Amino acid sequence: DAGVTQSPTHLIKTRGQQVTLRCSPISGHKSVSWYQQVLGQGPQFIFQYYEKEERGRGNFPDRFSARQFPNYSSELNVNALLLGDSALYLCASSWGRRGTEAFFGQGTRLTVV
Amino acid sequence: QQQVKQSPQSLIVQKGGISIINCAYENTAFDYFPWYQQFPGKGPALLIAIRPDVSEKKEGRFTISFNKSAKQFSLHIMDSQPGDSATYFCAAGDTGTASKLTFGTGTRLQVTL
Repeated sequence: DAGVTQSPTHLIKTRGQQVTLRCSPISGHKSVSWYQQVLGQGPQFIFQYYEKEERGRGNFPDRFSARQFPNYSSELNVNALLLGDSALYLCASSWGRRGTEAFFGQGTRLTVV
Repeated sequence: QQQVKQSPQSLIVQKGGISIINCAYENTAFDYFPWYQQFPGKGPALLIAIRPDVSEKKEGRFTISFNKSAKQFSLHIMDSQPGDSATYFCAAGDTGTASKLTFGTGTRLQVTL
């Protein structure tokens, strides 16, 4: 069984640029959540999408946006990149909207220079 | 009120010993408490989780102890092995609203021979 897949695995961008990260959840899972993990810290919640609608949002600026497609895959977009956006971006897949186990992908390592 | 406090920051245990990691939370709405294991360059992997209706849950060498009145929970790793060397994160979620998880700051465990 395929787990949560994220692409790309690594990315280097310049300040001010825009980036799109992709996630495919576990087959049958309808919820995708995005987290940012800065080096040496725990993951921080960015968004949850369930059935193509935003169901939760963390304390992140409007430069961060996401969407979920009919096949439940998801994209995270970050505009006007700052150096501080450098982090591991994690996607978590869950079966339901709430109360179910979350399984993480391997992450996308974003470096902003 | 959303914080989850985790200790210790790092831990060195001899092979065969018991590793103990502690977490405390403030938000009484939290009702789901998972533990994740993360190796360098990888996403967090779900180890074990507990809900407040039980005080202890055991899966293999991993045990969660939960104290609802103290708002504390801990992970015990019995017979610790060098392969257990990783960073461990506790987390907490309010399953009544969304699948958002609030993570602790992590404990870096090193198991020596």
